[in-house]
Amino acid sequence: GENVEQHPSTLSVQEGDSAVIKCTYSDSASNYFPWYKQELGKRPQLIIDIRSNVGEKKDQRIAVTLNKTAKHFSLHITETQPEDSAVYFCAASILQGYSTLTFGKGTMLLVSP
Amino acid sequence: DTAVSQTPKYLVTQMGNDKSIKCEQNLGHDTMYWYKQDSKKFLKIMFSYNNKELIINETVPNRFSPKSPDKAHLNLHINSLELGDSAVYFCASSISPYEQFFGPGTRLTVL
Repeated sequence: GENVEQHPSTLSVQEGDSAVIKCTYSDSASNYFPWYKQELGKRPQLIIDIRSNVGEKKDQRIAVTLNKTAKHFSLHITETQPEDSAVYFCAASILQGYSTLTFGKGTMLLVSP
Repeated sequence: DTAVSQTPKYLVTQMGNDKSIKCEQNLGHDTMYWYKQDSKKFLKIMFSYNNKELIINETVPNRFSPKSPDKAHLNLHINSLELGDSAVYFCASSISPYEQFFGPGTRLTVL
């Protein structure tokens, strides 16, 4: 089955800095890579996703890049703000049938004012 | 008009008891899931149902039994609760295999 590794487990940055979270996956058949944000005490919510036919996707201050050859994808957050503080999860799945998501173990991002 | 709802939000119980968590979605999705999130925040899939049929059953003790009376509901019953069952349980739904929408979670504490 799929295995998703996520690094780092914690990341502390100053407000205004950039933050990068990296994930690797094992199943070359995976073609859908969403990122979820979970604020303290809240539910995980999708913030951005990318499919394997695209190398990069941006949405305001967040972007995701995908390297299919290396089986590696990353989340980039620019101009971080305190409200970006949360746990971020990467995931991988196959866009076919009843495939489910395999999540990474999460990265706790702390943005200090 | 909550999309995915769970009850109860908190559940505190003694070891050995039996308890249930209910989940409902009003998004018209065909697939529903149960996840367990432990103290280290790891999200682990437990079960997946598509149109009331069990699709995925990960390595979960058979004390855990999901039931889907219809496409909009997926309940989780747990027998003989153990200390290690303490966690936050999230229900989710999707139009498989796309974006999953999570419920607010149920924090289960076993004493």
